[in-house]
Amino acid sequence: ILNVEQSPQSLHVQEGDSTNFTCSFPSSNFYALHWYRWETAKSPEALFVMTLNGDEKKKGRISATLNTKEGYSYLYIKGSQPEDSATYLCAFSSQGNLIFGKGTKLSVKP
Amino acid sequence: GAVVSQHPSWVICKSGTSVKIECRSLDFQATTMFWYRQFPKQSLMLMATSNEGSKATYEQGVEKDKFLINHASLTLSTLTVTSAHPEDSSFYICSAPPRYLRSPLHFGNGTRLTVT
Repeated sequence: ILNVEQSPQSLHVQEGDSTNFTCSFPSSNFYALHWYRWETAKSPEALFVMTLNGDEKKKGRISATLNTKEGYSYLYIKGSQPEDSATYLCAFSSQGNLIFGKGTKLSVKP
Repeated sequence: GAVVSQHPSWVICKSGTSVKIECRSLDFQATTMFWYRQFPKQSLMLMATSNEGSKATYEQGVEKDKFLINHASLTLSTLTVTSAHPEDSSFYICSAPPRYLRSPLHFGNGTRLTVT
């Protein structure tokens, strides 16, 4: 059974803090790792799709790294803003499947 | 870019009735659609994969007779919640996969179902 774990489950930070969270996935049969930003009852917003070991992608204040050999990806948010409050989902792709983690719920207090 | 339209966005129905949710790919053909459900305080859980012209593939634990999925054309997949009960109240969202899973999924806006 393929398992995708995200930690922490929730995170509360102050505006301006930088933060990061982890997505762990199986290190075998890797195809791609997706990151989405998701506000409840809305459509998930794609952040990154990462495919290469050592890959690092950046979108504004958000960046992500990928280690396929050890099976983890980090998502970083620099200088968190209240509008960054959301659940951040990662999804592991292998052999045609896309398996979502349970997400990290980020709350940024002004 | 590719767009997936999901309808309705919000529906309230009485216990025992059936509800149909539509998911359309607007500017591309989708031979496959994923249907997800969000349980309270949990992430998206894959319910089933609909396949155009053939039977849907259901995930373990999902009742096929309760959640009827039809993918009648290359642009339309439907999920029908039959004989709905309050425990079926949830957020349902569809998505169409890109040609290769090295591109993001195209999600609908989701449907909030409340069964009274």
